[in-house]
Amino acid sequence: NAGVTQTPKFQVLKTGQSMTLQCAQDMNHEYMSWYRQDPGMGLRLIHYSVGAGITDQGEVPNGYNVSRSTTEDFPLRLLSAAPSQTSVYFCASSLKPQGLSSYNSPLHFGNGTRLTVT
Amino acid sequence: ILNVEQSPQSLHVQEGDSTNFTCSFPSSNFYALHWYRWETAKSPEALFVMTLNGDEKKKGRISATLNTKEGYSYLYIKGSQPEDSATYLCASRNTGGFKTIFGAGTRLFVKA
Repeated sequence: NAGVTQTPKFQVLKTGQSMTLQCAQDMNHEYMSWYRQDPGMGLRLIHYSVGAGITDQGEVPNGYNVSRSTTEDFPLRLLSAAPSQTSVYFCASSLKPQGLSSYNSPLHFGNGTRLTVT
Repeated sequence: ILNVEQSPQSLHVQEGDSTNFTCSFPSSNFYALHWYRWETAKSPEALFVMTLNGDEKKKGRISATLNTKEGYSYLYIKGSQPEDSATYLCASRNTGGFKTIFGAGTRLFVKA
């Protein structure tokens, strides 16, 4: 069981370049989210989704786009990379809280993508 | 409280010491409180998910309590061991879309 898979693991971009960070999960989780981790700031929520076709902004959405065309995939797009977007990015998923079976569903994290923008 | 806040930011203890951390969160629109353990170079792993006021959860030497009315949770580690060294994160999940917001974490160092 692969869980949450993120690709790539490392990426270096030049300012202004675009790229997509991939996230896929095979646990049939409705809820998916993207976080960035910066020193001393914990995990900050970028965007999240409660199901295919539904996305919403988190704490730090500027400069990032997402889409959710399938339950399994939740890609994060940087349209024009900036040095301020240098960070480690984590994708996380869970069952959507509804009903007793998923009432206590924690987040399952991918292994992270380390992005450097020069 | 508008954000999820954790204290202390870091903690150094000796092997065998017991310790505890605090997580404060907004009590409005509260759905669940999560605790995660995050080791260096790994991904966060869930310790507890708590939803009801007065909840207490335990896993081995680690336990947690929840007060949703005043918006705080405590994580306790009894008899700390060097392998407990990690960052402990709490996260609050709200009822509006189940947005899950993390605190900055408490970094625990346990010296043998």
